[in-house]
Amino acid sequence: KQEVTQIPAALSVPEGENLVLNCSFTDSAIYNLQWFRQDPGKGLTSLLLIQSSQREQTSGRLNASLDKSSGRSTLYIAASQPGDSATYLCAAGAGGTSYGKLTFGQGTILTVHP
Amino acid sequence: EAQVTQNPRYLITVTGKKLTVTCSQNMNHEYMSWYRQDPGLGLRQIYYSMNVEVTDKGDVPEGYKVSRKEKRNFPLILESPSPNQTSLYFCASSFPGTGELFFGEGSRLTVL
Repeated sequence: KQEVTQIPAALSVPEGENLVLNCSFTDSAIYNLQWFRQDPGKGLTSLLLIQSSQREQTSGRLNASLDKSSGRSTLYIAASQPGDSATYLCAAGAGGTSYGKLTFGQGTILTVHP
Repeated sequence: EAQVTQNPRYLITVTGKKLTVTCSQNMNHEYMSWYRQDPGLGLRQIYYSMNVEVTDKGDVPEGYKVSRKEKRNFPLILESPSPNQTSLYFCASSFPGTGELFFGEGSRLTVL
């Protein structure tokens, strides 16, 4: 059974810092890996999706990498802003006969203070 | 506007009273899925559907039913709700292959 772990559970940084959020998964036979953002009381918004054949994806100040062999993904946020404060979740999409199953990590609560 | 719509957004009910949470998407997505979010346990997948009439269990399907008679709708049915089903529920959809998930705003359910 896939297990996804996110470290750290919470992170507080001053505005302008570059930061890295970590996601690890136990079963490397994934179809894809997604990063989401969740604001309080809201649904999830997809940030970046990395297919299993890819190594990284970039969108603006966000960069996500994937290393299937080591079971790790990182989300890099450059020049953080207070508006980046939210919970960030990663999710591993299963492949093969379990295609469609999605396993989430518990999330990293990010606070960026001015 | 592309969206996933869930109803109701908030519901308080009593043990044993059947209820349905509806989910509708307007993006012609084949894939739809349901999740529950609980403090300390995170988001867990309940059921998913790869297309019309094709559904499969996620990690926590006990006590729930789903149906996929139309592409746009994927209702979640609680035949006999119990207090341990008190949770925040999310519906999501995507195109298979691209996999980018679009989430609804969530439905907060309380079972007394």
